[in-house]
Amino acid sequence: GQNIDQPTEMTATEGAIVQINCTYQTSGFNGLFWYQQHAGEAPTFLSYNVLDGLEEKGRFSSFLSRSKGYSYLLLKELQMKDSASYLCAVVGGNYQLIWGAGTKLIIKP
Amino acid sequence: DGGITQSPKYLFRKEGQNVTLSCEQNLNHDAMYWYRQDPGQGLRLIYYSQIVNDFQKGDIAEGYSVSREKKESFPLTVTSAQKNPTAFYLCASSVLGQGHSNQPQHFGDGTRLSIL
Repeated sequence: GQNIDQPTEMTATEGAIVQINCTYQTSGFNGLFWYQQHAGEAPTFLSYNVLDGLEEKGRFSSFLSRSKGYSYLLLKELQMKDSASYLCAVVGGNYQLIWGAGTKLIIKP
Repeated sequence: DGGITQSPKYLFRKEGQNVTLSCEQNLNHDAMYWYRQDPGQGLRLIYYSQIVNDFQKGDIAEGYSVSREKKESFPLTVTSAQKNPTAFYLCASSVLGQGHSNQPQHFGDGTRLSIL
């Protein structure tokens, strides 16, 4: 079967750094997306990785290791507005998206 | 601004009633999708369409129906056969094709459906 695992919930402090992990087992791999979703709102695109390594985009970075079936999203200089759920989604062998359940990130002052 | 519009934001369904959720996009995307989101679960694909007048069942199509008569529009009907319809419904669109696997899906703001 196909499976994506993320921690259910994480807590971090304003101004700190947090790493949200995502592991996957899928039939084929054509890339991995990270989305941010505030409660009751639409998911919004954060990053896309298809090659191994780190992609940096401002305060957010995303890492991929295809051999390990592993990705992480790194958030630096946390702000209160970063409180949201973070969704990992893999593009499978048939080019359809497989979604993780999301990680709820709580930022404390 | 280009985007995806879903309506209504909140919807209530009575027993035995069919309800239709609207989704319109002006991004000129070929592909459109309907997802259901339940607490503690990932997005689950209900239906998707890659071209006008064609659509495919996703993982949880039972009790739902769609149409794609125009490129811009992809309405979802929740029929009375769907016994547990209470959920957050999200519509999305994307550029199509294997060469575009790096293109993200763009989402509407969702419709929250509840049972009366």
